[in-house]
Amino acid sequence: DAGITQSPRHKVTETGTPVTLRCHQTENHRYMYWYRQDPGHGLRLIHYSYGVKDTDKGEVSDGYSVSRSKTEDFLLTLESATSSQTSVYFCAISRQGTDEQYFGPGTRLTVT
Amino acid sequence: KNEVEQSPQNLTAQEGEFITINCSYSVGISALHWLQQHPGGGIVSLFMLSSGKKKHGRLIATINIQEKHSSLHITASHPRDSAVYICAVSDPGTYKYIFGTGTRLKVLA
Repeated sequence: DAGITQSPRHKVTETGTPVTLRCHQTENHRYMYWYRQDPGHGLRLIHYSYGVKDTDKGEVSDGYSVSRSKTEDFLLTLESATSSQTSVYFCAISRQGTDEQYFGPGTRLTVT
Repeated sequence: KNEVEQSPQNLTAQEGEFITINCSYSVGISALHWLQQHPGGGIVSLFMLSSGKKKHGRLIATINIQEKHSSLHITASHPRDSAVYICAVSDPGTYKYIFGTGTRLKVLA
């Protein structure tokens, strides 16, 4: 298994509070991705990174920001959480953009 | 209309049955991926295909590029195969994944 961890694994927070999710990899892969998974929608890309300090938006990036200051860490921040951001969040990594992606265990976020 | 469609959405089978899950896509792709997600679990990559057929144990994946269609077959199904199976395609320009909504498989003992 690829060395990918996500923290926290579960979080309950209140509307309007900031939340940061962390993805950590030990594989030295260049590409990292953040997805959300919701019933009826499948997995959707929020943001991705193609190197340290190099990030770009996915299809559902509104309300989210990301940072990557080290190869191994990719942070996803909800500046002011809303109930519509209740979801399961998955991080993924790949060596190159053309390669298979390997997924982390997921973080279940509930915004009340 | 979704760019990646899977069928069926739900499938219940008896142990030992041969199972087929289908994936159709409407966009150009660089590759097609089959992923497995167990209940409450993470997502595991099963296959990455750009042509032909691949086999791993009891799992077989095929792709027909001209028809824009792929199938995932499970031979001699077992209750531990119960999971959601997700089809995804890679965009040929950006290599980003586009996902289907998944097929929920339950195999009864």
